[in-house]
Amino acid sequence: AQTVTQSQPEMSVQEAETVTLSCTYDTSESDYYLFWYKQPPSRQMILVIRQEAYKQQNATENRFSVNFQKAAKSFSLKISDSQLGDAAMYFCAYRSASNTGNQFYFGTGTSLTVIP
Amino acid sequence: EPEVTQTPSHQVTQMGQEVILRCVPISNHLYFYWYRQILGQKVEFLVSFYNNEISEKSEIFDDQFSVERPDGSNFTLKIRSTKLEDSAMYFCASKGSLLYNEQFFGPGTRLTVL
Repeated sequence: AQTVTQSQPEMSVQEAETVTLSCTYDTSESDYYLFWYKQPPSRQMILVIRQEAYKQQNATENRFSVNFQKAAKSFSLKISDSQLGDAAMYFCAYRSASNTGNQFYFGTGTSLTVIP
Repeated sequence: EPEVTQTPSHQVTQMGQEVILRCVPISNHLYFYWYRQILGQKVEFLVSFYNNEISEKSEIFDDQFSVERPDGSNFTLKIRSTKLEDSAMYFCASKGSLLYNEQFFGPGTRLTVL
């Protein structure tokens, strides 16, 4: 089974600074999708950014970008110009491209604190 | 913007009791999921549901669990006889099509079994 590891249970960043959240995964598949979800306190998870494994170019979504290293099975999230509203739990997730059920495999999450 | 909703937000029950967790997926979505997150642990897949039947389930989803889409809008998770270790946050998710990547998550129901 696929596993997703987030080695940083907690991170903090000064407002307007940049922070990188790490994620590694283990799979024998060649085609898959990777996601970062954000879960603000008492709110539902929302998609931040996704990456298709077949694409070499790193995904970017405004202040959010990823560093996808397929050979190293690494998928880190960089948040630039951090804002107070970025404070949340961040989950890295994996989905197989061949799995008809499309279940997600999640990491344990990283709790991000933004310091004013 | 359409959202997945879940009720109740918090459910407290006695061990051995049955609970039903309710979800209203986004209206035109076809694929539905339940996940759970025990405090301090990762979010774990329980079951996926499509075309009125289970398409995939994990080892966690044993005979004590069942899912149903009773009326075309609700999607429920039933736990027949709750155990202490069922205490967790339960998330419902839905997706529009097989090829669409993103699953939309509800806010979760916190289940506490005493």
